Amino acid sequence: AQKITQTQPGMFVQEKEAVTLDCTYDTSDPSYGLFWYKQPSSGEMIFLIYQGSYDQQNATEGRYSLNFQKARKSANLVISASQLGDSAMYFCAMREGLYGNNRLAFGKGNQVVVIP
Amino acid sequence: NAGVTQTPKFRILKIGQSMTLQCTQDMNHNYMYWYRQDPGMGLKLIYYSVGAGITDKGEVPNGYNVSRSTTEDFPLRLELAAPSQTSVYFCASSLKGSDNYGYTFGSGTRLTVV
Repeated sequence: AQKITQTQPGMFVQEKEAVTLDCTYDTSDPSYGLFWYKQPSSGEMIFLIYQGSYDQQNATEGRYSLNFQKARKSANLVISASQLGDSAMYFCAMREGLYGNNRLAFGKGNQVVVIP
Repeated sequence: NAGVTQTPKFRILKIGQSMTLQCTQDMNHNYMYWYRQDPGMGLKLIYYSVGAGITDKGEVPNGYNVSRSTTEDFPLRLELAAPSQTSVYFCASSLKGSDNYGYTFGSGTRLTVV
């Protein structure tokens, strides 16, 4: 069974608008961590934001915020004030367990294209 | 600080050939990982290591081997290359005890098997 589900089709977003990328996850472990990574067309993987399962508040990092709804098992990424450089693939990933071997399971990604 | 360095960046192999993808990190990270990314897909874990001398299989280990003789290096060996191994390979590392154990990724190796 897929642990991370990202099913949105490719998205076009107007520059300066906000965009929300959906991510749902599946785990029975009460301790887990959720990550979002950005992969621009150049191919590198760039860490954006992290949310721990016990964190009381939603994570924020600059223009990135994570809408964490634990009961629904969703961890949506919100990018505010989109910029042309935000055009990329975005991957949601999960680590199960407190830390252990720190293996990550990745979703299939969301494609975002920012248009001027 | 170089971070995670992968070589080569690109490679074309013929079916049945072998090669080693190199990965080295200079951050003294104890955890290292190899992932592959097929077109339009997320990353799948091939092998990982939690420290020198310790390796373990991930989700898709068949056709690959690894070793971890030092903290810095984590090479991935492909024996008898097959077209199904055409992919982009990412090496990553993380540090036990860091804020969220986040990964530092290498820039990837694009491998084509023909």
